[in-house]
Amino acid sequence: GESVGLHLPTLSVQEGDNSIINCAYSNSASDYFIWYKQESGKGPQFIIDIRSNMDKRQGQRVTVLLNKTVKHLSLQIAATQPGDSAVYFCAERDNYGQNFVFGPGTRLSVLP
Amino acid sequence: ETGVTQSPTHLIKTRGQQVTLRCSSQSGHNTVSWYQQALGQGPQFIFQYYREEENGRGNFPPRFSGLQFPNYSSELNVNALELDDSALYLCASRQGNRGSYEQYFGPGTRLTVT
Repeated sequence: GESVGLHLPTLSVQEGDNSIINCAYSNSASDYFIWYKQESGKGPQFIIDIRSNMDKRQGQRVTVLLNKTVKHLSLQIAATQPGDSAVYFCAERDNYGQNFVFGPGTRLSVLP
Repeated sequence: ETGVTQSPTHLIKTRGQQVTLRCSSQSGHNTVSWYQQALGQGPQFIFQYYREEENGRGNFPPRFSGLQFPNYSSELNVNALELDDSALYLCASRQGNRGSYEQYFGPGTRLTVT
């Protein structure tokens, strides 16, 4: 079946450094992916998305890279700030397109 | 804030009881999805409603049911509560059925079953 997982459950970075959060997925038929940020006590917040016909997409301070050959997704955050501290989830659209399969999440901690 | 609201914020129930959770979608959004998020895990899809009809369901038993109303608000009902139902229940709304997948989540309802 489909599964989405993350390589690292926790990540600590210094303020101002770049962060890279990784995600592996198993369903080669997945055609759409989203990164979400979830702060304590809040629901997941949409960060950036990417379709399978792309390998890179940039937003404000964030970049998502997709490598379909090895079924790997990454989120890069430039100049990480204290407000970036949260749990980050990658999610892939399921075969039927009606829901997303979420990974277990990576906790990002930004050190002063 | 996303404009998606959920009530109640927290709820404590006893095993075997029934519970109803409510969600008001963002203005203009006609699709609502419900997710269950266990502590330390990612959200798991329960089901989705589009124009008052369920049009997608995850791997959850029939005792998880829902409704969507003409104003696109939604309810999640869980019967015969079990201890493992303790979780954060999230609803998410978006515009369209198979169009944009940029969905907006509410803050969730924390359900504790004792």
